Amino acid sequence: GESVGLHLPTLSVQEGDNSIINCAYSNSASDYFIWYKQESGKGPQFIIDIRSNMDKRQGQRVTVLLNKTVKHLSLQIAATQPGDSAVYFCAENIGGYQKVTFGTGTKLQVIP
Amino acid sequence: EADIYQTPRYLVIGTGKKITLECSQTMGHDKMYWYQQDPGMELHLIHYSYGVNSTEKGDLSSESTVSRIRTEHFPLTLESARPSHTSQYLCASSETGSGANVLTFGAGSRLTVL
Repeated sequence: GESVGLHLPTLSVQEGDNSIINCAYSNSASDYFIWYKQESGKGPQFIIDIRSNMDKRQGQRVTVLLNKTVKHLSLQIAATQPGDSAVYFCAENIGGYQKVTFGTGTKLQVIP
Repeated sequence: EADIYQTPRYLVIGTGKKITLECSQTMGHDKMYWYQQDPGMELHLIHYSYGVNSTEKGDLSSESTVSRIRTEHFPLTLESARPSHTSQYLCASSETGSGANVLTFGAGSRLTVL
């Protein structure tokens, strides 16, 4: 069938190195930003979220940074492992409306 | 493991056939969604529902229709499938509350129309 949208950019990282995946968002009114991981043949899975009044949030091996001035979001993965190979999507939602808008996505390839 | 189920996982059908993709969740979530995703591409919202008897069209125009008669069930129907409908369809759900609207996704239904 006819493809919809853009092909995903790819980031290749050596195993053990840190990965930084970037995302630009469009709606300055968004309340929350969420990162999802999609492995091959599966649906996206929640990784971490951050509220718009924060600029940094840390999870297990992951850190999300939010720069509202330039509408930029990043996901940092420490000590990248082969199991981190997947497509990563950022998403945003405005609390009152709850509709979630997904970004383009980035394919992360971990080189053993 | 996510409690949201999609069937069939894979479907190959001929042009003109009517198909229904099933989606069920056991989490009691009031909001449900359908996204369309071509391999290696973006996610596009095609339908969503905020509760029983509530359905809305998403950002991407789609010839499919949905219904929400029960909280746990959100089927998607194509009355007459065409090759341009070939894609992966992802169902998701979330609960109402303060905070981020975190979606739980099913594994997807990959549709091929010949």
